[in-house]
Amino acid sequence: DTEVTQTPKHLVMGMTNKKSLKCEQHMGHRAMYWYKQKAKKPPELMFVYSYEKLSINESVPSRFSPECPNSSLLNLHLHALQPEDSALYLCASSHVDRGVGYTFGSGTRLTVV
Amino acid sequence: GNSVTQMEGPVTLSEEAFLTINCTYTATGYPSLFWYVQYPGEGLQLLLKATKADDKGSNKGFEATYRKETTSFHLEKGSVQVSDSAVYFCALLTGTASKLTFGTGTRLQVTL
Repeated sequence: DTEVTQTPKHLVMGMTNKKSLKCEQHMGHRAMYWYKQKAKKPPELMFVYSYEKLSINESVPSRFSPECPNSSLLNLHLHALQPEDSALYLCASSHVDRGVGYTFGSGTRLTVV
Repeated sequence: GNSVTQMEGPVTLSEEAFLTINCTYTATGYPSLFWYVQYPGEGLQLLLKATKADDKGSNKGFEATYRKETTSFHLEKGSVQVSDSAVYFCALLTGTASKLTFGTGTRLQVTL
């Protein structure tokens, strides 16, 4: 298995809703990442988990809450989002040692209404 | 800090034309370098990589050589196809499980 699987592919949520994005990989990668990508822009790093522990939080607002329940799963819990949070959310994974590159999922396209 | 600079797009080419997308970088230490491709409506796919100076990455007819002396990692393809139309991101990585730093992306459009 060489894929990162993200669900759902599309999500529309209201500003008072609570939802979760899910990411799964079975490549034995012990580093997992959440990125946010706005239209016509490069991905921006949000969070990094290394060995299931949060190692980097890029000053992301608390309405985004990551969770890594085990080495294969990564969640992003969403609450009280704003319309400007609408974007493509990408999950990625990699081996912890550098140089091998990340494997990205196909993303969840989130629309906040 | 680390940064990646890519040529501005969009780049429009006719099928079978030669492609070059320029990428230069600034980094502390010795980064690994990558090209990612994003097709419309999809996530990013790793196209090729190079981990040390003078390494050449290649995949699907695309090539890029890690040039430490010019801090460059230009993407080339000898004959592009319509199916190569996508956004191409140059990126670098330093350290352990740290940030993948992206360039701004270059949109390629190939026409018949």
